[in-house]
Amino acid sequence: QQPVQSPQAVILREGEDAVINCSSSKALYSVHWYRQKHGEAPVFLMILLKGGEQKGHEKISASFNEKKQQSSLYLTASQLSYSGTYFCGTGDKTSGSRLTFGEGTQLTVNP
Amino acid sequence: KAGVTQTPRYLIKTRGQQVTLSCSPISGHRSVSWYQQTPGQGLQFLFEYFSETQRNKGNFPGRFSGRQFSNSRSEMNVSTLELGDSALYLCASSLALPETQYFGPGTRLLVL
Repeated sequence: QQPVQSPQAVILREGEDAVINCSSSKALYSVHWYRQKHGEAPVFLMILLKGGEQKGHEKISASFNEKKQQSSLYLTASQLSYSGTYFCGTGDKTSGSRLTFGEGTQLTVNP
Repeated sequence: KAGVTQTPRYLIKTRGQQVTLSCSPISGHRSVSWYQQTPGQGLQFLFEYFSETQRNKGNFPGRFSGRQFSNSRSEMNVSTLELGDSALYLCASSLALPETQYFGPGTRLLVL
């Protein structure tokens, strides 16, 4: 089951904050966040594991609510370089390295 | 450390042909996963290999196959190409579960 991301698109001015949500109908073991710029490969941002361990960026943070089966990515003081499509990929314990990705959130940061 | 590399980067084929794509993971990574990305379907999991064994397979027809070699390099093959196979094929490598997967630049396949 594909996770649901919201919003589908967001436009910001440089310096503004944004939150991207990722919800799953399945019990989650891990949530992986990636950013993809047009014509490029997805770039790893953050991984959140069941139990609260979090690894990733300094300037971007995320939360993982196991009860709600939801993760949120927080982008603070956005920069022009933050523009791109953000994907969450979810994994469960039985699926190996298989990640199921959401449809993506298109983020545009304007000067 | 060198990143994930994929060859070729671009490929044009015609319907009915077959194609082989190659992926070299980050040194030391033993898990390689393949994904297909299209505008309509997004990022979809194809299969995953770990230590030369296919550990997971997505919902794709048998025309899509893969393998992994003892040096962890992986190949995927698509036989009898269809127009709908046009996509960006991405491979990702990781140390182990549930560690971070690092994506390669992808191979953009166009089927005419």
